[in-house]
Amino acid sequence: GNSVTQMEGPVTLSEEAFLTINCTYTATGYPSLFWYVQYPGEGLQLLLKATKADDKGSNKGFEATYRKETTSFHLEKGSVQVSDSAVYFCALSGRGGGNKLTFGTGTQLKVEL
Amino acid sequence: GAVVSQHPSWVICKSGTSVKIECRSLDFQATTMFWYRQFPKQSLMLMATSNEGSKATYEQGVEKDKFLINHASLTLSTLTVTSAHPEDSSFYICSAQRGDYAISEQYFGPGTRLTVT
Repeated sequence: GNSVTQMEGPVTLSEEAFLTINCTYTATGYPSLFWYVQYPGEGLQLLLKATKADDKGSNKGFEATYRKETTSFHLEKGSVQVSDSAVYFCALSGRGGGNKLTFGTGTQLKVEL
Repeated sequence: GAVVSQHPSWVICKSGTSVKIECRSLDFQATTMFWYRQFPKQSLMLMATSNEGSKATYEQGVEKDKFLINHASLTLSTLTVTSAHPEDSSFYICSAQRGDYAISEQYFGPGTRLTVT
C-alpha cells in the first residue's frame, strides 16, 4: 500500500536559516504529492503540490521537487521566518485511490528570532 | 474561497453518550467529504469517504456502526460517534473536495477535539 515517511521533529531554526524537511514515499503507479501546513489552531492548508515526475511545486518561498528516482519530495525554503512556525505534512494521492490522501506523521517547525 | 467549517470545535461528553460533529463547506459544493482522525503527534488517518446522497465508504478497521456518517447535502456532512468511550477521544478533522478530477484539492476544516470522560 501507499505510505509516506517524513523526518521527525521538532525542527528548531533561527530566523533566516535554510529549511529542509525530508519526505519519501512508497506508492504504486504515479501518485500526486502534496505538502500541507497546519498553523496553530487552524486546519490543514495546501502549501504546494506536484503531479508528475520532475515537477516543482512552489508557494510562499517554499519549494519541493517530485523525484521519482529517489521517491522523494523534500520541502525547502531558503530563509524561514517566525511566521513559518507550524506543522508540515507530506502527503500523496494515488490516481487509483479515489483522491484518498495518505499522510506522513508531520514535522513541527519552530522558528526563533 | 473554499472554506470548510466544523462544529463544535471541542466537545466533552460522558462515556456511553453519542456526539455529532458537523462539517460544512461554506462557499462551494462538495461532491466528496472525508473524515480523518488525528492522534497526538501522529498523522491523520482516513476514517471514511462520503459522497452526497450515498453511503459512506469506511476504511479497514473503522467500525461503521460506531462512527455514523451522513452526507445529506452538497455542503454538509456529519459524523456521529455513538456510545462513545474514552478511547474515542481524539481530534477529528473533515475535508471537502469539489469537482471530480483525479487530483482535485481537499479543503480541510479546523478540527473538533473530542474528550470522552
